Amino acid sequence: DAGITQSPRYKITETGRQVTLMCHQTWSHSYMFWYRQDLGHGLRLIYYSAAADITDKGEVPDGYVVSRSKTENFPLTLESATRSQTSVYFCASSDPGEAFFGQGTRLTVV
Amino acid sequence: GENVEQHPSTLSVQEGDSAVIKCTYSDSASNYFPWYKQELGKRPQLIIDIRSNVGEKKDQRIAVTLNKTAKHFSLHITETQPEDSAVYFCAATGGGGSYIPTFGRGTSLIVHP
Repeated sequence: DAGITQSPRYKITETGRQVTLMCHQTWSHSYMFWYRQDLGHGLRLIYYSAAADITDKGEVPDGYVVSRSKTENFPLTLESATRSQTSVYFCASSDPGEAFFGQGTRLTVV
Repeated sequence: GENVEQHPSTLSVQEGDSAVIKCTYSDSASNYFPWYKQELGKRPQLIIDIRSNVGEKKDQRIAVTLNKTAKHFSLHITETQPEDSAVYFCAATGGGGSYIPTFGRGTSLIVHP
């Protein structure tokens, strides 16, 4: 399917576990982003990538790791999940210009 | 880096009224200003955008205005309908050659039938 897809859509994990959220886009957009959405905070940038093998920190990068070995994939890893990382995570891509968002992943850390 | 302030955080209107959401940005080099609508449980989607060489843009009931001197831009929705109820986000992009959108905190628009 064309577009940008995230998996899983929902995830419950325990504190201290490692979890990876996947993001795949079919447009070959150069830019990809990870945002977290929390009530009262809007969309906060975690990490972004301008091209394959180029990544950089955003506003709230602590506790997260990203990689981009291929243009189409941009996984986000929580190295040791904490309750404060309970959130809705959105991946997005752009050409640049308009950002296209994935469906989101609702992550709950218990 | 860029900082985007968005007001109000909540806006309640009667069906048929107009709604205005305002955003200010800090980086005078920003040159692309999109607006996204996010319905409950859905992803944000672009509804309108404006570039810094344009002062106003309209698309049916939606318009965006940009004041580069004052560094603020606004979303105007006329003849609101219940299906306009959603969270709206503004963003600023392009400052210093950066293509990273910086978002405002969002406005929850409620349109009462």
